[in-house]
Amino acid sequence: EPEVTQTPSHQVTQMGQEVILRCVPISNHLYFYWYRQILGQKVEFLVSFYNNEISEKSEIFDDQFSVERPDGSNFTLKIRSTKLEDSAMYFCASGVTDTQYFGPGTRLTVL
Amino acid sequence: AQSVTQLGSHVSVSEGALVLLRCNYSSSVPPYLFWYVQYPNQGLQLLLKYTSAATLVKGINGFEAEFKKSETSFHLTKPSAHMSDAAEYFCAVTQRGPGGNQFYFGTGTSLTVIP
Repeated sequence: EPEVTQTPSHQVTQMGQEVILRCVPISNHLYFYWYRQILGQKVEFLVSFYNNEISEKSEIFDDQFSVERPDGSNFTLKIRSTKLEDSAMYFCASGVTDTQYFGPGTRLTVL
Repeated sequence: AQSVTQLGSHVSVSEGALVLLRCNYSSSVPPYLFWYVQYPNQGLQLLLKYTSAATLVKGINGFEAEFKKSETSFHLTKPSAHMSDAAEYFCAVTQRGPGGNQFYFGTGTSLTVIP
C-alpha cells in the first residue's frame, strides 16, 4: 500500500541555521500539507499546497517558512533561520480528495 | 471556525473491556470528521472517517464511530480492547469539499490497556 515518506526521521540543528525537511507524497495525490506537533501539544496546520501553489497557510507559517515541490515527487518544507521554538515533530500529508494521509514525521530539534 | 474537543487526555481500560474515546466538534459549516491513531514514534494512521454518508462509520482494527449532529459528537468505540490498541488517538474536523482544507485536531487521548 502506498505511503507518505519523510526524511530525515530526526534532524538536529543549531539556532539560526536553515533546515529542509523532505517528503515524498503518495504518487497520484493532488493536495499536500505540512503540520507540526510540539511535544505534548496538538497537531497544528502549517500550510496546504495545490496546483503548484500555496492554497492556505496558518499564522505559524511566517516568512521564515517556505514550501516547494521541486520535481514530480518531492515536497519540501524549508525553515530559513531556525528558532528554539521550532523544535517539534513535522508531519507531511497528502490527499486526493477530502482525506489526508500522513507520513511518519521528522523530529526537529533546535539547539 | 472549526474546532475539536477530546474529553479525557488519558483513558485506561482493561483488556476485553469497551473502549470509548470522546470527541465533540464545533463547525459553522457541515463537517467531515476523522479519527487517527498514533503509535509510539510513528505517524498518524487513519482509523476511520465520516464524510456525509452513513452516520455509523466502521474503521480498521474493529473501531467504529457515530456522527451525532444533535450532540455535535463523533465518539470512537471498540467493543473489546486489545493490548495492541494502546496508542494516542486524535479526532480531527475539516469542512466539506473536494480536498485541500486544513484539518483541525484535538489534543489527543492516550489509551492504556491494562492486562
